[in-house]
Amino acid sequence: NAGVTQTPKFQVLKTGQSMTLQCAQDMNHEYMSWYRQDPGMGLRLIHYSVGAGITDQGEVPNGYNVSRSTTEDFPLRLLSAAPSQTSVYFCASSRGRGGYGYTFGSGTRLTVV
Amino acid sequence: GQQVMQIPQYQHVQEGEDFTTYCNSSTTLSNIQWYKQRPGGHPVFLIQLVKSGEVKKQKRLTFQFGEAKKNSSLHITATQTTDVGTYFCAGPYGSSNTGKLIFGQGTTLQVKP
Repeated sequence: NAGVTQTPKFQVLKTGQSMTLQCAQDMNHEYMSWYRQDPGMGLRLIHYSVGAGITDQGEVPNGYNVSRSTTEDFPLRLLSAAPSQTSVYFCASSRGRGGYGYTFGSGTRLTVV
Repeated sequence: GQQVMQIPQYQHVQEGEDFTTYCNSSTTLSNIQWYKQRPGGHPVFLIQLVKSGEVKKQKRLTFQFGEAKKNSSLHITATQTTDVGTYFCAGPYGSSNTGKLIFGQGTTLQVKP
């Protein structure tokens, strides 16, 4: 099992550009989430999904879109990148109900200039 | 809104000393999870506590869930350099387990050999 795979690992964008951060898991997990991590602020939830076709907003959803057409994939789209979106992004998945923790991907370090 | 706070933010200890981090929620939690993130790495799930007053141990790590299910602690006995990293607690948003987690800001542990 590869676990949770995120691509790319690093990305530099210009202000106003759009891009998609990819996330795939091969564990047949129901739940998937996107977090951003900024110094001193812990992990903040952007969007999450409890299954294919079902998504909802987290704490900081503005400027980001998600979709979940399959169980395996949960891409995060930045619509028009801003310097405030410079961060480390983590995708995570969980088996769901029953008290299982999240498995995190290795992260994407994004810089917006 | 719902908040999860951790103290201290940073802790420097001499190898062999004990370490404790505390987690406090503004609301009652159905469960609490703990994660560890090594420098430059991604969060890794350690444990979940569900019952009021629950205590669980993993080798030198002891996890407690408060009686009111609003606070938790992680205690490490006789720290080692391998314990270096940031420890996060996380609880579910709201009263139902939708997979939507809110994280504390984390406690970063430095261990001097």
